[in-house]
Amino acid sequence: EAQVTQNPRYLITVTGKKLTVTCSQNMNHEYMSWYRQDPGLGLRQIYYSMNVEVTDKGDVPEGYKVSRKEKRNFPLILESPSPNQTSLYFCASSSRQINTGELFFGEGSRLTVL
Amino acid sequence: QKEVEQNSGPLSVPEGAIASLNCTYSDRGSQSFFWYRQYSGKSPELIMFIYSNGDKEDGRFTAQLNKASQYVSLLIRDSQPSDSATYLCAVQSKGGYNKLIFGAGTRLAVHP
Repeated sequence: EAQVTQNPRYLITVTGKKLTVTCSQNMNHEYMSWYRQDPGLGLRQIYYSMNVEVTDKGDVPEGYKVSRKEKRNFPLILESPSPNQTSLYFCASSSRQINTGELFFGEGSRLTVL
Repeated sequence: QKEVEQNSGPLSVPEGAIASLNCTYSDRGSQSFFWYRQYSGKSPELIMFIYSNGDKEDGRFTAQLNKASQYVSLLIRDSQPSDSATYLCAVQSKGGYNKLIFGAGTRLAVHP
């Protein structure tokens, strides 16, 4: 089954404790992206990757890191989480090289930072 | 001004009616336009995309694009209670591989 898998789905953590949200897709997609979704603000792009070892900032990259060492994986790293990073996070991938807005989303990871 | 604007709703329509969802965008260089449906507690799901001015139909869904007015809409014919969800408009600029900007979404409620 074609899918984008995120882990963990739910996480409560404390300020400053490093965490990683993993994302893996089994569709051989080159384009992958991370979004956060907050009430009233919609989905905002954090980082995206056009291919292995190629990443770029989205609209809200501060406080986040990513890496793309393999095509299938695109982890999101919060080095020192803060309460304003409490949000619902989605990983997504696309088979398109252009018009990469044709996205396939993971199920989401709800993160709470206390 | 937000880059992509949608009325938050809720837009309430009776079963069988046409639901009309609207979206405006500020970047005249935008070239690709997408509609996603998001059920409560679920992830967004792509339902339509449109790249050229005019209408594009897919089953009960029609996307309409007017680049001169910077306006994109989604029509849902014969609305069903199962169409009740939040609909997200997304806009991509310049070649289609630049960042994708989402609107905050319009909540649609279809009542029997």
